[in-house]
Amino acid sequence: KQEVTQIPAALSVPEGENLVLNCSFTDSAIYNLQWFRQDPGKGLTSLLLIQSSQREQTSGRLNASLDKSSGRSTLYIAASQPGDSATYLCAVRKSGGSNYKLTFGKGTLLTVNP
Amino acid sequence: NAGVTQTPKFRILKIGQSMTLQCTQDMNHNYMYWYRQDPGMGLKLIYYSVGAGITDKGEVPNGYNVSRSTTEDFPLRLELAAPSQTSVYFCASSYSLAGVLGYTFGSGTRLTVV
Repeated sequence: KQEVTQIPAALSVPEGENLVLNCSFTDSAIYNLQWFRQDPGKGLTSLLLIQSSQREQTSGRLNASLDKSSGRSTLYIAASQPGDSATYLCAVRKSGGSNYKLTFGKGTLLTVNP
Repeated sequence: NAGVTQTPKFRILKIGQSMTLQCTQDMNHNYMYWYRQDPGMGLKLIYYSVGAGITDKGEVPNGYNVSRSTTEDFPLRLELAAPSQTSVYFCASSYSLAGVLGYTFGSGTRLTVV
């Protein structure tokens, strides 16, 4: 059974700091991994999607890496801003078979202080 | 482009009542999903659909039913609501079952059963 763990559960940083959020998964047979952002009381916004054949994806100040063999992904946020404050979720989709669901981690609550 | 639209945004039900959570997408995605998110937990798949007329159970289907009469709509029905169904419900869709182009989520329905 796939399990996804996100560390840390919460992170508080001053504005301008570069930071890394971690995601690990127990089954390396994944099809892709997706990072989402969730604002309080809101839905999920997709940030980055990494296919299993890719090593990283970048969007603006965000960079996500994937090491499938070790079951790890990181989300790097450069020059953090108060507007980055949110919960960040990673989710993996297992490859093969009829397993169509995403397995989510519990998220990292990020607070960027002005 | 509205994406995935969920209604209502909030609802309070009494134990034993029934209701339908609505979900509509305008991206012509064949694949649609219902997830629930409990506090401090990752999202769990309730039901999914691979196309009009085809649905299947996810991880936590008990107490719920779905239908998919059109590509656009994927309503979730709660029969005999119980306090354990208090949660935030998210509808999602994807272009492919593998989510090659990622998943799009609605903004959620916050349900409280009292």
